[in-house]
Amino acid sequence: EIVMTQSPATLSVSPGERATLSCRASQSVSSNLAWYQQKPGQAPRLLIYGASTRATGIPARFSGSGSGTEFTLTISSLQSEDFAVYYCQQYNNWPPIFTFGPGTKVDIK
Amino acid sequence: QVQLQESGPGLVKPSQTLSLTCTVSGGSISSGSYYWSWIRQPAGKGLEWIGRIYTSGSTNYNPSLKSRVTISVDTSKNQFSLKLSSVTAADTAVYYCARGSRDGYNPYFDYWGQGTLVTVSS
Repeated sequence: EIVMTQSPATLSVSPGERATLSCRASQSVSSNLAWYQQKPGQAPRLLIYGASTRATGIPARFSGSGSGTEFTLTISSLQSEDFAVYYCQQYNNWPPIFTFGPGTKVDIK
Repeated sequence: QVQLQESGPGLVKPSQTLSLTCTVSGGSISSGSYYWSWIRQPAGKGLEWIGRIYTSGSTNYNPSLKSRVTISVDTSKNQFSLKLSSVTAADTAVYYCARGSRDGYNPYFDYWGQGTLVTVSS
């Protein structure tokens, strides 16, 4: 079973600053990595898939990088609407299973 | 614009079966190479994938829940459903339905329902 970890658990950032979130897989997941944003009381929203491809309508300030076991989500200049919890998600081909990381909460410094 | 909406009882007694339905609108559930999933989230915790179904009827389940889960699809109603048997308080969570897609070998969930809270309590 592939285990996903995210760090830090909480990231305190001032508006306009850069935020860097990390996601690590216990074994290689190639580029089968997606990132989601979740605000309180809302469903998750897809941000990034294939480790680095922005989903439709996602602002360019969101970028993803990495492959194998180490991945990064970068928010270049935090806006007020970006304060939320961010989850990474991997897919294992066999057995076919999706696993989410525990999340990183980005809050206002 | 595809929309998903969960429905079902908000309260289930321990040892009984949790049943939820997801209704898809804005497109046919059978169109495209999509799969349809259930994902849950206990209060204040992270996301757990429960399973998925293709409109062919092919399913995959999370091994941790496989013995208790059944996902089915009704293409005539543009719906898919979840049954989780022998529930306990640990199954209390917000349950989401979601559409799965892929870009090459990279799968992801691009549309989600708003979620429905299911509480297991006597």
